[in-house]
Amino acid sequence: GIQVEQSPPDLILQEGANSTLRCNFSDSVNNLQWFHQNPWGQLINLFYIPSGTKQNGRLSATTVATERYSLLYISSSQTTDSGVYFCAVESFFGNEKLTFGTGTRLTIIP
Amino acid sequence: EPEVTQTPSHQVTQMGQEVILRCVPISNHLYFYWYRQILGQKVEFLVSFYNNEISEKSEIFDDQFSVERPDGSNFTLKIRSTKLEDSAMYFCASRRRGASPYNEQFFGPGTRLTVL
Repeated sequence: GIQVEQSPPDLILQEGANSTLRCNFSDSVNNLQWFHQNPWGQLINLFYIPSGTKQNGRLSATTVATERYSLLYISSSQTTDSGVYFCAVESFFGNEKLTFGTGTRLTIIP
Repeated sequence: EPEVTQTPSHQVTQMGQEVILRCVPISNHLYFYWYRQILGQKVEFLVSFYNNEISEKSEIFDDQFSVERPDGSNFTLKIRSTKLEDSAMYFCASRRRGASPYNEQFFGPGTRLTVL
């Protein structure tokens, strides 16, 4: 099945810093989504981005489908941005399930 | 904005007991899913459901698990005889259709299952 790798696994930043999280995947995709898992365990949907670039406030994401990677940018980090960020993909050749990466744990220090 | 809801938010049960986790998907969605996340690990696919039948299931989804859409609005996951290793967060998800751009999956807040 499709493989999803996220980097870095852990990231510790000062409040106000910018960060870039990366997601590599091993095959063509129909769907790519970024999630933020908050301290209560809920998965918050950030972006649906199988290709192209989207922005939502301080967050933006870019997926280069032909090169099989996606980037999540967080600017001017706040402590509420802390948590685990997951990338999940649906293989173009598979069924409709999402395959998740192992996540990036982001810690923002005040 | 419509959202997926799940009940209960937290369930504690004894090993060997049956549990039913409930989900109400978004009303015009046609595809339904269950995923689980063991503490500290990544989210794993369990089962997908479309047109009143299972369309795909993972190797985790053995005979102890079953899914049902009993009344056109609820979507349930039943674990017949819980084991300690079933302790996890269970997420329900739904999506409108199969093809882009309608194949975004929307997740519920999760049910944390603790098996003692």
